[in-house]
Amino acid sequence: DTGVSQDPRHKITKRGQNVTFRCDPISEHNRLYWYRQTLGQGPEFLTYFQNEAQLEKSRLLSDRFSAERPKGSFSTLEIQRTEQGDSAMYLCASSLEGGAEAFFGQGTRLTVV
Amino acid sequence: AQSVTQLDSQVPVFEEAPVELRCNYSSSVSVYLFWYVQYPNQGLQLLLKYLSGSTLVKGINGFEAEFNKSQTSFHLRKPSVHISDTAEYFCAVYRDQFYFGTGTSLTVIP
Repeated sequence: DTGVSQDPRHKITKRGQNVTFRCDPISEHNRLYWYRQTLGQGPEFLTYFQNEAQLEKSRLLSDRFSAERPKGSFSTLEIQRTEQGDSAMYLCASSLEGGAEAFFGQGTRLTVV
Repeated sequence: AQSVTQLDSQVPVFEEAPVELRCNYSSSVSVYLFWYVQYPNQGLQLLLKYLSGSTLVKGINGFEAEFNKSQTSFHLRKPSVHISDTAEYFCAVYRDQFYFGTGTSLTVIP
């Protein structure tokens, strides 16, 4: 297993466009997390899944954001009608239940122009 | 809700000198504690974690941290830093999700 993979690594999009990011967790991990990190800040929680169930969503996750994990394996994070304020690094992590150790992907850097 | 405070946003230190990066957390219940390191344009790499047991935790790259329940602190230390330790360091607590501090930028000066 090569760890948590995120695709793409970089995305530049025009304001108003929709974007979708993918995260492939470590295969035996049943928990998957999405975080957003802006420049000079720590990662902020967006949402997490246990298997295919989305168990918690942050208030940061506006109605323009949606995340799925349809078969309890990979996950997608979609942002509709992107705004400049959405520019950030989007990090995915996975862990076994209980979070004793979470592994992070390399992140997807989104730039909205 | 949990909160994590990293008291120093930037820490410059000379090569081979010791360093301490401070972290305090607020929680009324037991939590797991972590330190992660982030290099530019990279994800987070786990340095060490405290789950239970011994309050002195050793991690990778010569780092260690001490859990102090009475002071709700989890400070990170290294006795002798290298240039390659220059990075952003994040303290985090886990309770159903990870709560991160705002980070400490460690710069090692040759």
